[in-house]
Amino acid sequence: DVKVTQSSRYLVKRTGEKVFLECVQDMDHENMFWYRQDPGLGLRLIYFSYDVKMKEKGDIPEGYSVSREKKERFSLILESASTNQTSMYLCASSASTGGYEQYFGPGTRLTVT
Amino acid sequence: GIQVEQSPPDLILQEGANSTLRCNFSDSVNNLQWFHQNPWGQLINLFYIPSGTKQNGRLSATTVATERYSLLYISSSQTTDSGVYFCAVEHAGGTSYGKLTFGQGTILTVHP
Repeated sequence: DVKVTQSSRYLVKRTGEKVFLECVQDMDHENMFWYRQDPGLGLRLIYFSYDVKMKEKGDIPEGYSVSREKKERFSLILESASTNQTSMYLCASSASTGGYEQYFGPGTRLTVT
Repeated sequence: GIQVEQSPPDLILQEGANSTLRCNFSDSVNNLQWFHQNPWGQLINLFYIPSGTKQNGRLSATTVATERYSLLYISSSQTTDSGVYFCAVEHAGGTSYGKLTFGQGTILTVHP
């Protein structure tokens, strides 16, 4: 079974803090993704990576950065957390490109106060 | 970009009833997946179905790619089926890197 894990289920941070969300997959997948989910707005893609050290902006990259130093690990970084970044963050992975099933982690509920 | 529309937005059933959820998409796709989001927020993979028909227990799905829609059937619904059902597609044009575009979801509530 594919397994995608995320470092925290719940996280509370203060405005201005630097926040790291970690995601690890165990299936040697090339592609990894970070989404956020908000009521009424659905799931939106923040960043994705198709190889180690490669990254591409998604639909809403502002205020975020990412890091992929190893194939199995993809980190989402909030350089200076703001209250409008309070959300559910979901990591996913898939093999190669074009038409492969995507698998999701359990999610991290981040609250910025 | 590709548009994904799900219907109905909300569905309330009595236990034992059957239901059909629909997903319309606006262009050709490489991938179409159905997910169930559980109460804790995790997206559970139900079907990977860019075309054709699949069945898994009480659930089945059909995608008619030429007509740009997919259907998820739930038979003999149970209270544990409650939650949000998402359809997501990967646009076939260009280099997509597997990116999924999600519909807004169908909120299913099954009463005992």
